[in-house]
Amino acid sequence: GAGVSQSPRYKVAKRGQDVALRCDPISGHVSLFWYQQALGQGPEFLTYFQNEAQLDKSGLPSDRFFAERPEGSVSTLKIQRTQQEDSAVYLCASSLLVRKTNSPLHFGNGTRLTVT
Amino acid sequence: DAKTTQPPSMDCAEGRAANLPCNHSTISGNEYVYWYRQIHSQGPQYIIHGLKNNETNEMASLIITEDRKSSTLILPHATLRDTAVYYCIVSTGANNLFFGTGTRLTVIP
Repeated sequence: GAGVSQSPRYKVAKRGQDVALRCDPISGHVSLFWYQQALGQGPEFLTYFQNEAQLDKSGLPSDRFFAERPEGSVSTLKIQRTQQEDSAVYLCASSLLVRKTNSPLHFGNGTRLTVT
Repeated sequence: DAKTTQPPSMDCAEGRAANLPCNHSTISGNEYVYWYRQIHSQGPQYIIHGLKNNETNEMASLIITEDRKSSTLILPHATLRDTAVYYCIVSTGANNLFFGTGTRLTVIP
């Protein structure tokens, strides 16, 4: 079946622009995560949804970052007034069960954001 | 969650077993050991996980020491497609992951 799909695959934004990154999780997956991966580093947690509820947003680096999953399926990560330090790969992952279980995460291939 | 220590890089000859070590000396009793890998330009891919016992699946084997302070991921017959960054993670749940910087495995023809 289809995996986690993210779009766009690449995004170039000028500093100060707003961007929206989309994630289509595997159908029926309850949990959805966003991670940020800087060059040469491992992925770092941003936020977590259980269905439509955002239960953890402790990893969001500033109030310019906003995520939503209004119907419990597709999710959007929005970054307002982008800055150069926002340049990274943004990864979305979904999981069949709720957090703190052993259901593996399934990752998309990410959106590479470059802020110029 | 407990942190892990992995060598930054390793090489392995194609066709040979790749043994990737991981130290997790502060692991607690309810924490599992997970392994993911990330091939260039792709998202991380789940490999295997375990609590106390050794585990094997179609991709790899996971050997956990009796005191649980270290583990080894074994790829029995490495291929060029196994070249990737391998992350060892300890966590109370699969959905609560701290990745670190992993081991970059290069499989050499």
